[in-house]
Amino acid sequence: EPEVTQTPSHQVTQMGQEVILRCVPISNHLYFYWYRQILGQKVEFLVSFYNNEISEKSEIFDDQFSVERPDGSNFTLKIRSTKLEDSAMYFCASSESSPEQFFGPGTRLTVL
Amino acid sequence: QQQVKQSPQSLIVQKGGISIINCAYENTAFDYFPWYQQFPGKGPALLIAIRPDVSEKKEGRFTISFNKSAKQFSLHIMDSQPGDSATYFCAAADNYGQNFVFGPGTRLSVLP
Repeated sequence: EPEVTQTPSHQVTQMGQEVILRCVPISNHLYFYWYRQILGQKVEFLVSFYNNEISEKSEIFDDQFSVERPDGSNFTLKIRSTKLEDSAMYFCASSESSPEQFFGPGTRLTVL
Repeated sequence: QQQVKQSPQSLIVQKGGISIINCAYENTAFDYFPWYQQFPGKGPALLIAIRPDVSEKKEGRFTISFNKSAKQFSLHIMDSQPGDSATYFCAAADNYGQNFVFGPGTRLSVLP
């Protein structure tokens, strides 16, 4: 069964450093999403991406964040200058057509 | 208005019992209501979803009940098993499904 994959599974970085989280969505899916989950809290929407552009973003997704689909398979989330409060699980999701979204296993980001 | 409320926060059920988790929303534009199951260290997995044109949907041991007038929906897990022990999140989205709003989650423990 096709699934969303994410790398790395765990990323440790120093405050102020840039990180790139990578996702490979399910191959025939057209809609891509990033969510985050701070430890023990609910899943929060960050951004949705369709047709090579952002279709919706939340208040969390400020200028420090960016997304990109650099090739036909990868979907990335970049955080330019990480803060301590960026420490969380980051989930990528994809859907063939809204709204049924399938989530990846997540990347645990730890900012020191 | 974008909030989804969920209760209880935690639930302990004996094996074979019925687990019931409730959610409520305010935004009448929401018309897609999925439930996700999350095991520790894993991404949320789509369990079952419903649209407001039906009042109930059943898949195996999992049933969603939907009350459009009350803006409430619930997940029932029949014959609960220890393997069902996980955190369950309800969510809501509009027809475009771009922005999932998640409830805070319910940690279910099924005792053997």
